[in-house]
Amino acid sequence: DTGVSQDPRHKITKRGQNVTFRCDPISEHNRLYWYRQTLGQGPEFLTYFQNEAQLEKSRLLSDRFSAERPKGSFSTLEIQRTEQGDSAMYLCASSKPPGQGAGEQYFGPGTRLTVT
Amino acid sequence: AQTVTQSQPEMSVQEAETVTLSCTYDTSESDYYLFWYKQPPSRQMILVIRQEAYKQQNATENRFSVNFQKAAKSFSLKISDSQLGDAAMYFCAYTYSGGGADGLTFGKGTHLIIQP
Repeated sequence: DTGVSQDPRHKITKRGQNVTFRCDPISEHNRLYWYRQTLGQGPEFLTYFQNEAQLEKSRLLSDRFSAERPKGSFSTLEIQRTEQGDSAMYLCASSKPPGQGAGEQYFGPGTRLTVT
Repeated sequence: AQTVTQSQPEMSVQEAETVTLSCTYDTSESDYYLFWYKQPPSRQMILVIRQEAYKQQNATENRFSVNFQKAAKSFSLKISDSQLGDAAMYFCAYTYSGGGADGLTFGKGTHLIIQP
C-alpha cells in the first residue's frame, strides 16, 4: 500500500495561466475526491469520482475547474485562467468501495498552488 | 446542509497530560460517519479515529478516544498521555453514509500545542 500520491507538490503560476494537477489513489480504492484547503481553514469538498464517473461537484467548482478520471485510475484537476483567489492547497483523497470500509478517506500530501 | 463546528481554535496541554477537543455537528440524517483527522505542520492529513453513528460504543484507538453523543450531536476527541508528536491541527469531519455525495464536511480545526 503506497498511499495516495499527488504531483506536483508545489506550483507557482502567473494569473491567467492554466495549471493541471495529478492524483494517484491507493490502488484498490475506487472512490477519489478533490478538496481545496485555504490557510487556517478545513478542507472544502470540490468533486468526487466513483471509478471513472464524476458523481458530484460542489458549487465551489466553477466552470474554470475541470476534473477527469480516465479509466478509473489516476485523476487530474485542471484550473483554467487562474486567479489569485485560486491560491490554496489542493488535496486528493481516496476510499474503498461502499461496504468495504467505514467511509474513511485517505489523503495525499497535496499540491500547493500559488498564483502571482 | 450539514455543518461541523470546532469552537476551540487553539488548545495547549502539558506533555503526558490529557486534553479534549470539542466538535459539534448539524445534520438531519441518522446514518453517518464521523472522523478526527490530524494534520501536522506541512504534512499530510492522517486519519486518527472514526465513529459510525449507528454504534453506541465510543471508538478508541490507543491513546485516542471519542465521546460520541448522538442526541446532542457532539463528537469530542480525548488524547491521553499527550506526546510532542501529537502537536498538529486536528479536524473533525462528517460524511453521510447513505450513498450519493460522500465528500467530507470539515470543521475549521483546532491547533493543538504540546508544552514540554
